Amino acid sequence: KAGVTQTPRYLIKTRGQQVTLSCSPISGHRSVSWYQQTPGQGLQFLFEYFSETQRNKGNFPGRFSGRQFSNSRSEMNVSTLELGDSALYLCASKTGQGATGELFFGEGSRLTVL
Amino acid sequence: AQSVTQLDSHVSVSEGTPVLLRCNYSSSYSPSLFWYVQHPNKGLQLLLKYTSAATLVKGINGFEAEFKKSETSFHLTKPSAHMSDAAEYFCVVTLPNYQLIWGAGTKLIIKP
Repeated sequence: KAGVTQTPRYLIKTRGQQVTLSCSPISGHRSVSWYQQTPGQGLQFLFEYFSETQRNKGNFPGRFSGRQFSNSRSEMNVSTLELGDSALYLCASKTGQGATGELFFGEGSRLTVL
Repeated sequence: AQSVTQLDSHVSVSEGTPVLLRCNYSSSYSPSLFWYVQHPNKGLQLLLKYTSAATLVKGINGFEAEFKKSETSFHLTKPSAHMSDAAEYFCVVTLPNYQLIWGAGTKLIIKP
């Protein structure tokens, strides 16, 4: 079974631009979560989608948005990029919405904002 | 409010010696708890989870953790460290709305 796939793996943008990151979950997984990881702030929850609906949202500005498609694939978008948005963005999937399910992570998309 | 505290940002041990990574949590109910590991330039992988069954939980790669409600702790241990254990370890606690609270992480350094 293929794992969680994130694209692109690396990207460089400049301030003010926007970026879209993609995540393909494990087949059969309907829940997709996004996390931002930085050396200073650690791992921070962005949002979770289940069956195309946003179920939970972290404490991030409105520049960060996401969506989930009917095939469970998810995208996240960051508009008007700032230097502080440089981070590793991790996507994770699990089978259902419950709290005890194991999260399966992709290897992340490393965004550098210049 | 629910929270999780990993008491050490870095732990350094010699290969072959025991590993102890400490995690304390604060919760007003009986949470589910997890330990995840992240190797350099990789995503995270589940090591083990506690979900109100046995208090001593065994995970992958020889790791185990004990849930101690009286101490609100969920420390991760391994009897003998291996070089391949060098990674960052995260303790995670659940919220009632299924959201997860992540600890700040502990970097485990293995000395040859």
